[in-house]
Amino acid sequence: GAVVSQHPSWVICKSGTSVKIECRSLDFQATTMFWYRQFPKQSLMLMATSNEGSKATYEQGVEKDKFLINHASLTLSTLTVTSAHPEDSSFYICSATHSSTDTQYFGPGTRLTVL
Amino acid sequence: GQNIDQPTEMTATEGAIVQINCTYQTSGFNGLFWYQQHAGEAPTFLSYNVLDGLEEKGRFSSFLSRSKGYSYLLLKELQMKDSASYLCAVNRAAGNKLTFGGGTRVLVKP
Repeated sequence: GAVVSQHPSWVICKSGTSVKIECRSLDFQATTMFWYRQFPKQSLMLMATSNEGSKATYEQGVEKDKFLINHASLTLSTLTVTSAHPEDSSFYICSATHSSTDTQYFGPGTRLTVL
Repeated sequence: GQNIDQPTEMTATEGAIVQINCTYQTSGFNGLFWYQQHAGEAPTFLSYNVLDGLEEKGRFSSFLSRSKGYSYLLLKELQMKDSASYLCAVNRAAGNKLTFGGGTRVLVKP
């Protein structure tokens, strides 16, 4: 149990375009989903916390207009990187929790490369 | 601010034991997690400590001392597949947010 999927697993796009990444909890209802970014050889940095039906809470330094988060249902959250630039190239990972546990279960990650 | 420290890299021999230490200073504490992450993959859950003491799960054990802001992950009978990064993460309680340490890369040699 507690399986989280992400789509796509990797994406290459041109500078200036927008990219949408989906995060789904497959076998449980996720009360909260989190979005992280990880640069090479660095640890995970929390970008935002997403609760179903409400606005996401962004960490300091993360531009909410650039990283749009939508949490439309208890099993789906999306992250849209708008007007992507090469410096946005990174490994984006989501995680999800459900009400009965504090443990975060991670998706397999999405590798974004902006040319 | 949030501060979580762990060694950058450790090397050990197959079959041996390795202990990865993690010290933390965070605003709020509601438990400490250890995750394993292989290169290019997402982290997988290893253990969760919220009370002081040792939690044992097969070859992996994790210890917590809240008064000292200290935890360790103990890997026994090391196997080659254990070569990975090990991430210490503190649940800051507010909103169940996790703050991660920089990760410790463990290299297991034959």
